[in-house]
Amino acid sequence: DVKVTQSSRYLVKRTGEKVFLECVQDMDHENMFWYRQDPGLGLRLIYFSYDVKMKEKGDIPEGYSVSREKKERFSLILESASTNQTSMYLCASSPTDLGFSPFSSYEQYFGPGTRLTVT
Amino acid sequence: AQSVTQLDSQVPVFEEAPVELRCNYSSSVSVYLFWYVQYPNQGLQLLLKYLSGSTLVKGINGFEAEFNKSQTSFHLRKPSVHISDTAEYFCAVSVDNQGGKLIFGQGTELSVKP
Repeated sequence: DVKVTQSSRYLVKRTGEKVFLECVQDMDHENMFWYRQDPGLGLRLIYFSYDVKMKEKGDIPEGYSVSREKKERFSLILESASTNQTSMYLCASSPTDLGFSPFSSYEQYFGPGTRLTVT
Repeated sequence: AQSVTQLDSQVPVFEEAPVELRCNYSSSVSVYLFWYVQYPNQGLQLLLKYLSGSTLVKGINGFEAEFNKSQTSFHLRKPSVHISDTAEYFCAVSVDNQGGKLIFGQGTELSVKP
């Protein structure tokens, strides 16, 4: 079974703190993703990575950065946490589809989520 | 650009009743479609996916979905729900072939009452 783990289930931080959220997957997947989930807004993509040391901005990258030094680990960094970053953060991974379709047939595998509260 | 719309934000039903959760997508080309379920305080897990072939797709926990190309819909159904089906359900569409990027709908909260 694919396993995606996140370093914390619940986290409380103060405004202005630097926050690190860690994600590790054990299935040698090339692709990793960070989302935030807010009521009524679904999942919004923050950053994703297709390979080690590679990153791409998602839909809402402002206020966040990421790091991928090893294939299995993808870190999300809040440089200076703010109250509007209080949210559920979900990490996911997926393998690369080497077929000829314009779309990937593989699903994403999700971690359990980190509920971050910034006070 | 592709997008996904889930038409109902909340669906309350009684136990053993049938349920349909609606999902529409916009795309000018063929797509791959997914339904995920999120139980309280957990991550998302895959219920089923449509890639090609039969338009009726069966998933886990007795759920199924029907792909309708002319109506650009991918509605999720279950003939008889249980209390344990109470969860949030997300429809998603695949948008690229390299990195497996998905676009998600806003989610539908299914609440099953005794």
